[in-house]
Amino acid sequence: AQSVTQLDSQVPVFEEAPVELRCNYSSSVSVYLFWYVQYPNQGLQLLLKYLSGSTLVESINGFEAEFNKSQTSFHLRKPSVHISDTAEYFCAVSEIQGAQKLVFGQGTRLTINP
Amino acid sequence: EAGVVQSPRYKIIEKKQPVAFWCNPISGHNTLYWYLQNLGQGPELLIRYENEEAVDDSQLPKDRFSAERLKGVDSTLKIQPAELGDSAVYLCASSEGTSGGHGTDTQYFGPGTRLTVL
Repeated sequence: AQSVTQLDSQVPVFEEAPVELRCNYSSSVSVYLFWYVQYPNQGLQLLLKYLSGSTLVESINGFEAEFNKSQTSFHLRKPSVHISDTAEYFCAVSEIQGAQKLVFGQGTRLTINP
Repeated sequence: EAGVVQSPRYKIIEKKQPVAFWCNPISGHNTLYWYLQNLGQGPELLIRYENEEAVDDSQLPKDRFSAERLKGVDSTLKIQPAELGDSAVYLCASSEGTSGGHGTDTQYFGPGTRLTVL
């Protein structure tokens, strides 16, 4: 079975500052990795995912995440945040050889202060 | 293209009453999921359908929860009777179902139904 730990429940940062949201996972098998974002009063949306290939993946709105197999981590970063990035961010994993079951972390609430 | 539609968005009921949630997935999506999201937690899978077949219902509390997807399109999740601990957000998601079960499909989520049991 897999598990996901998001180390920070809340992260407050100032606008235009860099941010890192941490995610660690545990699994006995190889996994795919995902970051989902939930804006206020909206459903979860896929932000980015790692399936294979380059360990650094990017989203269209400037976020990036790097898969680190040795540290079992998939931290999400952005060099300069905007007010519009205020949301809850969820890290998730699914088994490569298993069923299409996403296992989510507890979420990190990112608050951007002007 | 319309996204995943869920109704109602909010529901308040008294304990021991029945309640039902409805989900219409994105057109053409074969796989449908129901998740439970407790306050301050990530979503947890309740049941997954491939077309009309429930292929993973291991986390569904079958004594009070039931679900159906009769024609392989929209789906209903029911709780009978509801308990105080059922207060949560119930999320529906869908995916194309083209990855052969290997987890690469992107899941698209609806806005959820927030249930409050008094």
